[in-house]
Amino acid sequence: TAGITQAPTSQILAAGRSMTLRCTQDMRHNAMYWYRQDLGLGLRLIHYSNTAGTTGKGEVPDGYSVSRANTDDFPLTLASAVPSQTSVYFCASSVRGGNNEQFFGPGTRLTVL
Amino acid sequence: GQNIDQPTEMTATEGAIVQINCTYQTSGFNGLFWYQQHAGEAPTFLSYNVLDGLEEKGRFSSFLSRSKGYSYLLLKELQMKDSASYLCAVRDGDYQLIWGAGTKLIIKP
Repeated sequence: TAGITQAPTSQILAAGRSMTLRCTQDMRHNAMYWYRQDLGLGLRLIHYSNTAGTTGKGEVPDGYSVSRANTDDFPLTLASAVPSQTSVYFCASSVRGGNNEQFFGPGTRLTVL
Repeated sequence: GQNIDQPTEMTATEGAIVQINCTYQTSGFNGLFWYQQHAGEAPTFLSYNVLDGLEEKGRFSSFLSRSKGYSYLLLKELQMKDSASYLCAVRDGDYQLIWGAGTKLIIKP
């Protein structure tokens, strides 16, 4: 079972360019999340989706957009990248009910120059 | 405001016991999680507490006091592979988690 996959693994991007980070899960989880992780700041929620067709803003949504057309996929788009978006990006998912433990993808390391 | 505090770094000796503390101030509370994250890897789930008391899972135990806004993760019989960051997170709503910055645990032989 793949769990959650993310692509690409890493990327160097010129400032001003756009990019979509891909996230796919095969666990049929209702909820999905995008986080960024920066040294000393911990995980910060960018956007989330409680179920297919709905999305919401997290703590740091500016400069990012998401869509949730189906249960499995939750892409994150940077419309015009800036150096402050240099970070490690993690996608996660959880099932509705129970303790809602979040399962994480392997991450995408993005550098914006 | 929402705040979760953990020590930045701790050092312990192989075979010993270490306790990592977490204090939180959140608008709501629907459970507290501990995750382990090895360098360069994704976080992985360790434990979940929603009621006061101690949850034991092998070498790892987690404690919660809701009235004090306090939790700790206890690691026994430390092994070198336990060198990692340990993240405390609180669910204050339906699904979303608020995360602490993590505690980097260094294990020395």
